[in-house]
Amino acid sequence: SAVISQKPSRDICQRGTSLTIQCQVDSQVTMMFWYRQQPGQSLTLIATANQGSEATYESGFVIDKFPISRPNLTFSTLTVSNMSPEDSSIYLCSVAQGGLAGNEQFFGPGTRLTVL
Amino acid sequence: AQTVTQSQPEMSVQEAETVTLSCTYDTSESDYYLFWYKQPPSRQMILVIRQEAYKQQNATENRFSVNFQKAAKSFSLKISDSQLGDAAMYFCAYRRIQGAQKLVFGQGTRLTINP
Repeated sequence: SAVISQKPSRDICQRGTSLTIQCQVDSQVTMMFWYRQQPGQSLTLIATANQGSEATYESGFVIDKFPISRPNLTFSTLTVSNMSPEDSSIYLCSVAQGGLAGNEQFFGPGTRLTVL
Repeated sequence: AQTVTQSQPEMSVQEAETVTLSCTYDTSESDYYLFWYKQPPSRQMILVIRQEAYKQQNATENRFSVNFQKAAKSFSLKISDSQLGDAAMYFCAYRRIQGAQKLVFGQGTRLTINP
């Protein structure tokens, strides 16, 4: 299984500022994903980070608000821009590994963001 | 669009007893994957068990097993001999085999283990 680390593990930010979350994987992976988990809620996919091309965003999420980088097959960043208290959530990085038959997704430990 | 529904926001069980968590889903696809993930207070998402829709046999992983009813689009998780460490949020999830690889999650069930 892939080992995934995220930085920072948590942060408290002021509204109007931006925060960049880093996701590092210990092996090369094809697909990386960013999920949001609002307080007491389930996980919702923000976007799929594609290496060498633009990220693919889900409905309700836009690049200006959540710009994503994927410079190589082991690293990705998610920026939460112009933050408001509604952005307070846990942000999780996830990777897919293996062929179609064993294409499991593994999750990082998450970044807990609080916006004041 | 695919949807996943967990109708039990909370469940509790006595230690060493058996508990079943419910999950239903909606899809027009014939082949797909279904998963149960566990999220303890540490918030680390842990894969508990996986089921391929084309397999009729129910998946089993030690004390964890599923009851997969494809026609009914039902995918319940049974935890036998419940342990204190099983206390967590449990999420049911769906993923297509072809195309987009994203996971679609249910709302989650909070499981409490009573000693």
